[in-house]
Amino acid sequence: NAGVTQTPKFQVLKTGQSMTLQCAQDMNHEYMSWYRQDPGMGLRLIHYSVGAGITDQGEVPNGYNVSRSTTEDFPLRLLSAAPSQTSVYFCASSWGTDSYEQYFGPGTRLTVT
Amino acid sequence: KNQVEQSPQSLIILEGKNCTLQCNYTVSPFSNLRWYKQDTGRGPVSLTIMTFSENTKSNGRYTATLDADTKQSSLHITASQLSDSASYICVVTPQRDDKIIFGKGTRLHILP
Repeated sequence: NAGVTQTPKFQVLKTGQSMTLQCAQDMNHEYMSWYRQDPGMGLRLIHYSVGAGITDQGEVPNGYNVSRSTTEDFPLRLLSAAPSQTSVYFCASSWGTDSYEQYFGPGTRLTVT
Repeated sequence: KNQVEQSPQSLIILEGKNCTLQCNYTVSPFSNLRWYKQDTGRGPVSLTIMTFSENTKSNGRYTATLDADTKQSSLHITASQLSDSASYICVVTPQRDDKIIFGKGTRLHILP
């Protein structure tokens, strides 16, 4: 199993550009989520999904869109990048939130200039 | 508001020593409490998961404890190694809510 994979590993965007961060898992997990991690702050939940076709907002959803058309993939879209979205983004998956181990991807470091 | 607070923010100890990291939470009721280890530049990796009815869980040299009455958890690291240098994150899952709550982490530095 590859586990949770994220692409790209690094990305630089100009303000106003759009892009999609890719996340895929091969463990048939139902629960997938996106987090951002900024210096001095804990991981903050952006969006999450409890299964294909179902998504919901987390703590900091503004400026981001998600979709979950398959169990395996959970892409995160930045519609119009802003410098405030400079961060490290982590995707994670698990069977659910009840005592199931959550597996994180290696992260995408995004810089918006 | 559901919160998870960790202390200390950072900690420096000598290799071979023991240490204890603290986590206080206001999440109630909660489903489970987890401790993660995050190496620099990598994603978090699970160390322990405890349900609300458990009060201790071990994973090698890592032992987590949970006191649901005082809403406190601790992570004890025994005989520290250089590879233990990392951030340690406490995470609480509320019951009836899919939004997991992360603490800001404790940055641990092990010196040779």
